[in-house]
Amino acid sequence: GAVVSQHPSRVICKSGTSVKIECRSLDFQATTMFWYRQFPKQSLMLMATSNEGSKATYEQGVEKDKFLINHASLTLSTLTVTSAHPEDSSFYICSASAALSGANVLTFGAGSRLTVL
Amino acid sequence: SQQGEEDPQALSIQEGENATMNCSYKTSINNLQWYRQNSGRGLVHLILIRSNEREKHSGRLRVTLDTSKKSSSLLITASRAADTASYFCATISSGTYKYIFGTGTRLKVLA
Repeated sequence: GAVVSQHPSRVICKSGTSVKIECRSLDFQATTMFWYRQFPKQSLMLMATSNEGSKATYEQGVEKDKFLINHASLTLSTLTVTSAHPEDSSFYICSASAALSGANVLTFGAGSRLTVL
Repeated sequence: SQQGEEDPQALSIQEGENATMNCSYKTSINNLQWYRQNSGRGLVHLILIRSNEREKHSGRLRVTLDTSKKSSSLLITASRAADTASYFCATISSGTYKYIFGTGTRLKVLA
């Protein structure tokens, strides 16, 4: 089945630094990947849609300059949290759409927990 | 907000009992999917039901869909401690590519 690898799984950084999270589709090509943010005991909030070879599409209220998304190949999308602050601490999850029995389902990475001190 | 709602928000049952979770959504859909999330992990796809289907089974899972009421339910029969997780429904609005997740149900199965 489709596998998405996401790393790092945990990262702790100082306020003001930038953090990059990678999301790779291991056995399929993903022209579109999605980045979500999740707060404790809450649902997933779609941040942006990453399209291979073009600019990401950001959801309303998500700062483009804060959360830089790059999708340079069909198997890799990266999310960079720039100048991170404590309020950026969260669980970030990427996913890619893969076909299953004629419909698209999401395959998720294991998530990255970011803690900004 | 386009986000769907699930109820209950939290559910605690004994091993062997059945667990039922409900999901309501707001827009027309092509299909509805259920996902499971273990604590601190990514989500795993469980089952998909298309808009022209009313019921679907997969192992101990049974999903129903009522498009007139814009609602779905997930039933887990003979629950096990390993079923402890959060469960989310997800929909894609017709004409879009975005998955909208429900608020989730946190299920705890006590051994």
